[in-house]
Amino acid sequence: ETAVFQTPNYHVTQVGNEVSFNCKQTLGHDTMYWYKQDSKKLLKIMFSYNNKQLIVNETVPRRFSPQSSDKAHLNLRIKSVEPEDSAVYLCASSPGTGGAYEQYFGPGTRLTVL
Amino acid sequence: LAKTTQPPSMEAYEGQEVNVSCSHTNIATSEYIYWYRQVPHQGPQFIIQGYKDYVVNEVASLFISADRKLSTLSLPWVSLRDAAVYYCIVTPRAGGYKVVFGSGTRLLVSP
Repeated sequence: ETAVFQTPNYHVTQVGNEVSFNCKQTLGHDTMYWYKQDSKKLLKIMFSYNNKQLIVNETVPRRFSPQSSDKAHLNLRIKSVEPEDSAVYLCASSPGTGGAYEQYFGPGTRLTVL
Repeated sequence: LAKTTQPPSMEAYEGQEVNVSCSHTNIATSEYIYWYRQVPHQGPQFIIQGYKDYVVNEVASLFISADRKLSTLSLPWVSLRDAAVYYCIVTPRAGGYKVVFGSGTRLLVSP
């Protein structure tokens, strides 16, 4: 099956803890993304990676960091979570190296920070 | 990047044709129009994209006005499974990696 896979589905943690979310795509795409979807369902791009290079880094807090071992994997680490980090984190990938082609999304990881 | 404006919600009955409009009055010549939809507990799913005129695929059709400032996504014969939030996005096809999702249009479908 070719798709975008995310783990875990849900994660509950306390303020100050470190969390890490995994994303893998089996579509053979060159670009991967992380989005944050808040309680109002607004989707905001956080990072995008192309050929293991960070090419877009929105003004996200420094406690967030993307990690990639190859073009099929893009993980997201949050060093010390805060309550406002509670959201759904969506991973996506797209074909091509130079443009905003259609993106394929994973099911998301729901983070709850207590 | 051009900003888009969509109606916040729409309602339809099963079997109806639904047309979701999107205004992008400051769309640039380099920008394409993309439509996605998102059902609960899933990520957005690509539906269709176009630059001008009329585009059709197995899921939907997309009409783009002559000045490209308005696009309309048409869903024929909607079913309960089409209940979702529909997002219209305009973004450069080449050289741009920033895709901005607006608040979308929530489509409610009744039997």
